[in-house]
Amino acid sequence: RKEVEQDPGPFNVPEGATVAFNCTYSNSASQSFFWYRQDCRKEPKLLMSVYSSGNEDGRFTAQLNRASQYISLLIRDSKLSDSATYLCVVNFDNTVGKLIFGTGTRLQVFP
Amino acid sequence: NAGVTQTPKFQVLKTGQSMTLQCAQDMNHEYMSWYRQDPGMGLRLIHYSVGAGITDQGEVPNGYNVSRSTTEDFPLRLLSAAPSQTSVYFCASTRGTDVHEQYFGPGTRLTVT
Repeated sequence: RKEVEQDPGPFNVPEGATVAFNCTYSNSASQSFFWYRQDCRKEPKLLMSVYSSGNEDGRFTAQLNRASQYISLLIRDSKLSDSATYLCVVNFDNTVGKLIFGTGTRLQVFP
Repeated sequence: NAGVTQTPKFQVLKTGQSMTLQCAQDMNHEYMSWYRQDPGMGLRLIHYSVGAGITDQGEVPNGYNVSRSTTEDFPLRLLSAAPSQTSVYFCASTRGTDVHEQYFGPGTRLTVT
């Protein structure tokens, strides 16, 4: 089993749609969880951290389910500019700079 | 601030050649890392450093060397390039107190023929 698994997609959705991605992780002792965004042929950039209580940033909501070992990202009112690959990232041992990246879920928003 | 810079942006090597990928950051970050990204695989950690003079191996260190003589610079050396090292290489840095937010450089696209 991969340490961090994501559905590669692509998810093709119209503008204004709501879309959700899930990510599962294998290590129950994982400490920190994040979503990064990567545009085509660009570097990854932090989108948001994922807290146990869930967190929201504008149209984006992240949730953590420790019992089932998955995290989710919900995007409401999708924009064309949301088209990108979304990387699920987990820190297993709380060591700075050592993160495990999922392969990413590709989102394509169409007009 | 320029953030994290990487050179070169593109490079083609022949099998057996050596080269150094440069990485520099001007944010005074203690922690720096090198990743490679291949199709169908997540970013994989090659080497990392928790400060000047301190480096350690990541998940896929074979065929690569690093050193950290200054806080700003973290070069990655390919000792004898192989086609399996064809990849996109990202350097990243992070402040010690924010374990999650890694700042990535723009990447180096390396092809080994």
